Amino acid sequence: GAVVSQHPSRVICKSGTSVKIECRSLDFQATTMFWYRQFPKQSLMLMATSNEGSKATYEQGVEKDKFLINHASLTLSTLTVTSAHPEDSSFYICSARARGVGADTQYFGPGTRLTVL
Amino acid sequence: EDQVTQSPEALRLQEGESSSLNCSYTVSGLRGLFWYRQDPGKGPEFLFTLYSAGEEKEKERLKATLTKKESFLHITAPKPEDSATYLCAVPYSSASKIIFGSGTRLSIRP
Repeated sequence: GAVVSQHPSRVICKSGTSVKIECRSLDFQATTMFWYRQFPKQSLMLMATSNEGSKATYEQGVEKDKFLINHASLTLSTLTVTSAHPEDSSFYICSARARGVGADTQYFGPGTRLTVL
Repeated sequence: EDQVTQSPEALRLQEGESSSLNCSYTVSGLRGLFWYRQDPGKGPEFLFTLYSAGEEKEKERLKATLTKKESFLHITAPKPEDSATYLCAVPYSSASKIIFGSGTRLSIRP
């Protein structure tokens, strides 16, 4: 149980385009989803916390107009990187927190590798 | 200030050589401590949640233990496929988000 999927797993785009990444909890309802970014050989850096039906809470230094987050249902959150630039190239990972048992435990998706040319 | 520190940063073992990874934390009112395994180019894979001092959990060659100040991930007779980065994390005192340690890169030589 507690499976989280991400799509796409890998994307290459031109500078200036927008990219949407989907995160789905497949076998449970997620009260909260989180978006992380990870640079090579570094730990995960939290970008934002997303609650279903409400606005996302962004971490300090993360531009909310650049990284748009929508949490439309208890099983789906999306991250849109708007007007992407090469410095946005990174590994983006989402996680979902389940209701009830094991509260606070986050289950992670497989990640999305974004390369901006 | 909530903080999580992992040691060592990297650990190289021979196959079959048992060892332990350390995760020390400072947080008010611990609501759980999590261990994850991360392979290169993949998202973290959930291993364990520990809730209270004295608790232990096992999965194959891994055993996680918890005290009031730290957690250990013991690996017994490791195999090359156990090579990965192991991350520990705790929830912040006053928020739903969790704080990660920097991880231990474990390498098992055949």
